Amino acid sequence: GAVVSQHPSWVICKSGTSVKIECRSLDFQATTMFWYRQFPKQSLMLMATSNEGSKATYEQGVEKDKFLINHASLTLSTLTVTSAHPEDSSFYICSGKQGKSNTIYFGEGSWLTVV
Amino acid sequence: SQQGEEDPQALSIQEGENATMNCSYKTSINNLQWYRQNSGRGLVHLILIRSNEREKHSGRLRVTLDTSKKSSSLLITASRAADTASYFCATTGNQFYFGTGTSLTVIP
Repeated sequence: GAVVSQHPSWVICKSGTSVKIECRSLDFQATTMFWYRQFPKQSLMLMATSNEGSKATYEQGVEKDKFLINHASLTLSTLTVTSAHPEDSSFYICSGKQGKSNTIYFGEGSWLTVV
Repeated sequence: SQQGEEDPQALSIQEGENATMNCSYKTSINNLQWYRQNSGRGLVHLILIRSNEREKHSGRLRVTLDTSKKSSSLLITASRAADTASYFCATTGNQFYFGTGTSLTVIP
């Protein structure tokens, strides 16, 4: 299947700092990318949907000013957690799909720990 | 927001047995997909069933869909220890929403 590369896999940052997570589609054009958050032993919660070149659509309850999403190209989307707090510590997963395809491909996820 | 709910939340079986997981959802869908997630990893797509299909097979996987009951089931036959993972259903309309997941443990 298609490959989505997510980086970094692990990141530790101090409270109050910002951290950026990258999501790249390596062998397809990801016209739409999704960002999810997952707490231990829980399901994936959709945070936002972004279409290339457009502003991201955030799910209810997700602060768009805190979780900045950029999808400037067909192969790259970034999630920036601004002014991170310990409660932002979580597993963040991106995924992408091409056009009207029904299948989405997931990155390997990024573990964020805010200390 | 969560669209689907899986049951059971956790399932433990012996290797060689069959594992059945169920998923219920709330709204109309275009299709339903099942994904697998190994602990701390990304998700792997297993199978997609369209809203006009009732059953689909792929290797040891069998998926059923009942749109009248808004439910789906995933059957893994002849389970192996390597099948140990969490399994999620995802419903697709304009976005992809995941169910709560079933944690499957296959004991060798």
